[in-house]
Amino acid sequence: DQQVKQNSPSLSVQEGRISILNCDYTNSMFDYFLWYKKYPAEGPTFLISISSIKDKNEDGRFTVFLNKSAKHLSLHIVPSQPGDSAVYFCAAYSGGSNYKLTFGKGTLLTVNP
Amino acid sequence: GAGVSQSPSNKVTEKGKDVELRCDPISGHTALYWYRQSLGQGLEFLIYFQGNSAPDKSGLPSDRFSAERTGGSVSTLTIQRTQQEDSAVYLCASSTPPRGNQPQHFGDGTRLSIL
Repeated sequence: DQQVKQNSPSLSVQEGRISILNCDYTNSMFDYFLWYKKYPAEGPTFLISISSIKDKNEDGRFTVFLNKSAKHLSLHIVPSQPGDSAVYFCAAYSGGSNYKLTFGKGTLLTVNP
Repeated sequence: GAGVSQSPSNKVTEKGKDVELRCDPISGHTALYWYRQSLGQGLEFLIYFQGNSAPDKSGLPSDRFSAERTGGSVSTLTIQRTQQEDSAVYLCASSTPPRGNQPQHFGDGTRLSIL
């Protein structure tokens, strides 16, 4: 049972354009969400997070939006750069377990020069 | 380095053998986690250690899997009588005590291949 879903296995965008990566979840107990970025043969690197009491969090070129009623979050990267090419994982903590992360399967982002 | 260190980076072994995977967390991080990523899947939680508390082993897939954390630092994940379905990347992460949802910091993983 996939509680965190990233329905797009891959996404390709042009350098300088916006990248939008989507994530849906089914568990209403999730109250904190994180995005991780992963390059081949490396571990995931924390990128940005958002608490369920907010609907937006911004950090430089990266913005995460949360729509609780739709159980949907998205990561926007503006402007996209070739170095952003990586697999992006959406992950969530539930209120009852603030250490056990539940991950989506990831989306491979390719930013073309 | 200052990050989470895992060894070996790659391990190939025959079905039925035992394997040990090592994780050295970031200095000062009291929380340590093991995950695994099978091909085409997301990361799957295996086990969590926090200080001297009893570990949460709820994610271990079978009793062939076990983990220890000695001295509150280095951890070893052991898989006995390996099976082909154990082939995956095993990732270790560490964090400060998980109050307020601190991000977990990952090592580069051990790629385990069972022949």
